[in-house]
Amino acid sequence: QSALTQPASVSGSLGQSITISCTGTSSDVGNYNLVSWYQQHPGKAPKLMIYEVTERPSGVPDRFFGSKSGNTASLTVSGLQAEDEADYYCSSYAGSNNLVFGGGTKVTVL
Amino acid sequence: QVQLVQSAAEVKKPGASVKVSCKASGYTFTNYGINWVRQAPGQGLEWMGWISGYDGNTNYAQKFQGRVTMTTDTSTNTAYLELGSLRSDDTALYYCARITRGGWDFDYWGQGTLVTVSS
Repeated sequence: QSALTQPASVSGSLGQSITISCTGTSSDVGNYNLVSWYQQHPGKAPKLMIYEVTERPSGVPDRFFGSKSGNTASLTVSGLQAEDEADYYCSSYAGSNNLVFGGGTKVTVL
Repeated sequence: QVQLVQSAAEVKKPGASVKVSCKASGYTFTNYGINWVRQAPGQGLEWMGWISGYDGNTNYAQKFQGRVTMTTDTSTNTAYLELGSLRSDDTALYYCARITRGGWDFDYWGQGTLVTVSS
């Protein structure tokens, strides 16, 4: 499988909103509601932020919102805070017990 | 609390094999699967494969088929990743991650094991 497509970087000012896109195909993102988003700070392991397209694990602020339309999933972060500056990765189930990640997006808080 | 503790860093020569361990605690090991994900320096996440904690069933990413083996030891709640025919571009941080039941998301991650391949 090919990696999902994410923008290399996204930036926003404190308090503003940003949206990160994650584009796949009808074989992965478009065919399953099994898209997840991970946040990774430098030197740390990834942290699950969104699962099954829209669900937030316990402890994840409701400023993080996931959605999907067709073959593209999106992560919106509202009320941007300094601690949101990190790398973000999407992933999608791709059938037959396979998974694919996006290339990652670096979020900068201005 | 759920913890995944991985083995220490390794340095290997090209052509060699490496075996990384991931010891789980704080949950019933056989109720969840373990995935392996790697991250080359400065690069993104790459899924390597999955192993069931229940019956050891596996599925490997096509890229690694033929040189990767994932196993579990339910007596010690430990998962293992073995990668053979190492090349310099296998230099990466290797993570184990628990997969949620019924989903394909990873709710707990190990701290990562750095594998360096160098002559």
